[in-house]
Amino acid sequence: AQTVTQSQPEMSVQEAETVTLSCTYDTSESDYYLFWYKQPPSRQMILVIRQEAYKQQNATENRFSVNFQKAAKSFSLKISDSQLGDAAMYFCATQRYGGATNKLIFGTGTLLAVQP
Amino acid sequence: GAVVSQHPSWVICKSGTSVKIECRSLDFQATTMFWYRQFPKQSLMLMATSNEGSKATYEQGVEKDKFLINHASLTLSTLTVTSAHPEDSSFYICSAAQGAGANVLTFGAGSRLTVL
Repeated sequence: AQTVTQSQPEMSVQEAETVTLSCTYDTSESDYYLFWYKQPPSRQMILVIRQEAYKQQNATENRFSVNFQKAAKSFSLKISDSQLGDAAMYFCATQRYGGATNKLIFGTGTLLAVQP
Repeated sequence: GAVVSQHPSWVICKSGTSVKIECRSLDFQATTMFWYRQFPKQSLMLMATSNEGSKATYEQGVEKDKFLINHASLTLSTLTVTSAHPEDSSFYICSAAQGAGANVLTFGAGSRLTVL
């Protein structure tokens, strides 16, 4: 079974500052993927960043980067130079690796507010 | 890029009636699609995995006879909420992967169902 925990229901950051969103997970799989998705008020799910668990190097995507600690089963998201458009609900998710396309298991989400 | 279209984006129906929601992959073939349900300010809960040409796989606790899923082609999956009741009111989101075994899912914009 796979579970994802996001312990921060809400976070706030000043525009241009940096914020880190926390995520821990539990899985019995040896190989898996980890994701961060963004859901703005439009409710459209948008992929922010993806990490393959077998890769030690942390994924980065422009202003977004992750701190992946496999042993601790931790997968935090850092947003640098925060912008007003970053305000959204952020979901951490895990997915089993291999075979057919596998389902995503989501955490409870963190609502990020960006203050001007 | 991959686009997933959901229709309708919102629907209001009377209690006891059935409602069909369509999920289409517009520019790619999707062997597997997933249906999620999201209550206000909550996470996405997987309802079922829809595989083209075969029966859907439902998550524990999801009523198969109430939430009928059909995946008749590689570009279309439908979710029919049968004999809808007010407690079925929710936001329903579909997602699809481009190609068998693909791990990055593209999400539809969701369908808001309100049952009076």
